[in-house]
Amino acid sequence: EAGVAQSPRYKIIEKRQSVAFWCNPISGHATLYWYQQILGQGPKLLIQFQNNGVVDDSQLPKDRFSAERLKGVDSTLKIQPAKLEDSAVYLCASSSTRYQYFGAGTRLSVL
Amino acid sequence: TQLLEQSPQFLSIQEGENLTVYCNSSSVFSSLQWYRQEPGEGPVLLVTVVTGGEVKKLKRLTFQFGDARKDSSLHITAAQPGDTGLYLCAGAITSGTYKYIFGTGTRLKVLA
Repeated sequence: EAGVAQSPRYKIIEKRQSVAFWCNPISGHATLYWYQQILGQGPKLLIQFQNNGVVDDSQLPKDRFSAERLKGVDSTLKIQPAKLEDSAVYLCASSSTRYQYFGAGTRLSVL
Repeated sequence: TQLLEQSPQFLSIQEGENLTVYCNSSSVFSSLQWYRQEPGEGPVLLVTVVTGGEVKKLKRLTFQFGDARKDSSLHITAAQPGDTGLYLCAGAITSGTYKYIFGTGTRLKVLA
């Protein structure tokens, strides 16, 4: 079975620019998570989808971050405008039960 | 806000030594997971513990879930360089779906 796919793997942008990340979860997984992982720390949940509905976005900085999961499959996470402190790895995970499977992540550097 | 504190934050040991990583919280979780993450990759699930007091063994790794389901430990026997990585615990909260709170992480380096 194919794993969680994320793209791009790396992105370098200047502050105040916009950026988007894409995630394709494991086929059939209803739940999709976006996490932000600052270097050396544990992942922090940004948003959780159940099919195409938002379950939890309490830690998503909504003034600059947005996410959608059209048709309950693929998802995109956007940052507009980016700040220096947004430099991190953005991880996508999907699950159908209590087990979540992670993609390799997108490493974002904001200069 | 639920927090999971891991200790130690960093650990550098010689091959063959034993070690224990702790994961503590004031919150109760329905289950707890341990992951290992290598540079440039996403976390990979090692084990899930569900019942208070549960002990699971995975080769040289022993995982324990506290009786009150608030804390957990990971013990590695005779560590090897291949065990090097970032170890993360994650507590699960269930309310229709699973939501995970990740620990602060323990970075382990095993020297040959």
